[in-house]
Amino acid sequence: DIQMTQSPASLSASLGETVTIECRASEDIYNGLAWYQQKPGKSPQLLIYNANSLHTGVPSRFSGSGSGTQYSLKINSLQSEDVASYFCQQYYNYPLTFGSGTKLEIK
Amino acid sequence: EVQLQQSGPEVGRPGSSVKISCKASGYTFTDYVMNWVKQSPGQGLEWIGWIDPEYGSTDYAEKFKKKATLTADTSSSTAYIQLSSLTSEDTATYFCARTTHFDYWGQGVMVTVSS
Repeated sequence: DIQMTQSPASLSASLGETVTIECRASEDIYNGLAWYQQKPGKSPQLLIYNANSLHTGVPSRFSGSGSGTQYSLKINSLQSEDVASYFCQQYYNYPLTFGSGTKLEIK
Repeated sequence: EVQLQQSGPEVGRPGSSVKISCKASGYTFTDYVMNWVKQSPGQGLEWIGWIDPEYGSTDYAEKFKKKATLTADTSSSTAYIQLSSLTSEDTATYFCARTTHFDYWGQGVMVTVSS
C-alpha cells in the first residue's frame, strides 16, 4: 500500500497569510493526488485533483503543486472560512489512501 | 447539479448488520464508480471500496473484505453498503463519494454500534 505522510498535523495562521500543507507519498504517484477540505460536522469537499487542477467552484486562492512523491497545497490570503481540516489522497494505485490530515486554525 | 443523498443514522447491536444507501442524482449513475469511505470519531479517512454500477464489479480494501458488501441498483440510481458482524470498531461515519478522486460526496451516515 502507498503511505501518505502529511504535515503539519496542525497549523495556526493569521487572516491574510499564506499557508502551505505538505504530503509525501511512499512511492511515485505520478500526480494522482487530490486535496480535500473538511469543516466540522460536514463531508469532505474536493479542492484539487491531478495534483494541480482546481475543482469547479473552488476559490483561486487554493492551489496545488508537486510531482513524484512530494506534493503541497497552498492557501493564499487566508480567510476565516478556511478554518477546517485538510486531507491529501492518492489515487494512483489501489488501495486508495489518505494522509492523516492537517487542522487549520486562525491565530 | 450532482447530489449524493445518503440515508439516515443507524444504530446496530453487536453482531448485527446495517445497510446504508446513497442515492445519486444530476448525472448518469452508470458513468462513474462509487466509492465508500469510513471516518471514525475524531479520526482520518479510510477507503472501504468501490463499485462500478454499470457492471456491478467491486473492489475492496483488504481490511474491509469481510466487513463490507457493496451493491448498486441502476433502476433507482442508488448505491448501498452493508456492514456485517458489527463491533464497536464499526462505530463511525460512512460516506459515499463519486469517482476515484471523490469529486462529490454524500453527507455521511453515522453508524453507532451499541447493545
